[in-house]
Amino acid sequence: EAEVAQSPRYKITEKSQAVAFWCDPISGHATLYWYRQILGQGPELLVQFQDESVVDDSQLPKDRFSAERLKGVDSTLKIQPAELGDSAMYLCASRVAGGLANTGELFFGEGSRLTVL
Amino acid sequence: DAKTTQPPSMDCAEGRAANLPCNHSTISGNEYVYWYRQIHSQGPQYIIHGLKNNETNEMASLIITEDRKSSTLILPHATLRDTAVYYCIVRVGPGSWGKLQFGAGTQVVVTP
Repeated sequence: EAEVAQSPRYKITEKSQAVAFWCDPISGHATLYWYRQILGQGPELLVQFQDESVVDDSQLPKDRFSAERLKGVDSTLKIQPAELGDSAMYLCASRVAGGLANTGELFFGEGSRLTVL
Repeated sequence: DAKTTQPPSMDCAEGRAANLPCNHSTISGNEYVYWYRQIHSQGPQYIIHGLKNNETNEMASLIITEDRKSSTLILPHATLRDTAVYYCIVRVGPGSWGKLQFGAGTQVVVTP
């Protein structure tokens, strides 16, 4: 079964350092999401792409976070500089493009757990 | 998108049915009810969704009240592997670009 691939699975970094996460969605999925999940809370949407375009980044802290999906396939989420409060699980999800034929189901990767020291 | 209210936690005995409630009193006519679950250290997993009719699939059943202000997810025969956080989400329909907004969910613990 096709899966959303994410790397690295775990990342430990010191504050003020740069960190990057990579996501490869399920083939053919036009919509890609990055979520952040702080321990004990539900996932929070950071950014949503439709193909290579950002359709929602209202919750992305743009002073330190950036996301790109240059060719409309895989995506990278970057944090620079990392802060202690960025410690969380970063989840990537994908779905097929909108249309009445699909369920709207999001497929999630296993996530990248970031610890900032 | 409408907000949802779920109990923070519930226990269920293995082999029994687990009934997970969700209130969504401000749901709009074009909003669907979605359920996801998240097993520890994994990404969320889609379970089921519905608009106004009851739905059933191989994982669960979804019962939506006639006024659509609340719903219940039913796991018919809970197993230890069903221990997870369950999220009830309302959002505009599957064909839209509407984002999925998660709340805190219900932590379900299935005990032997």
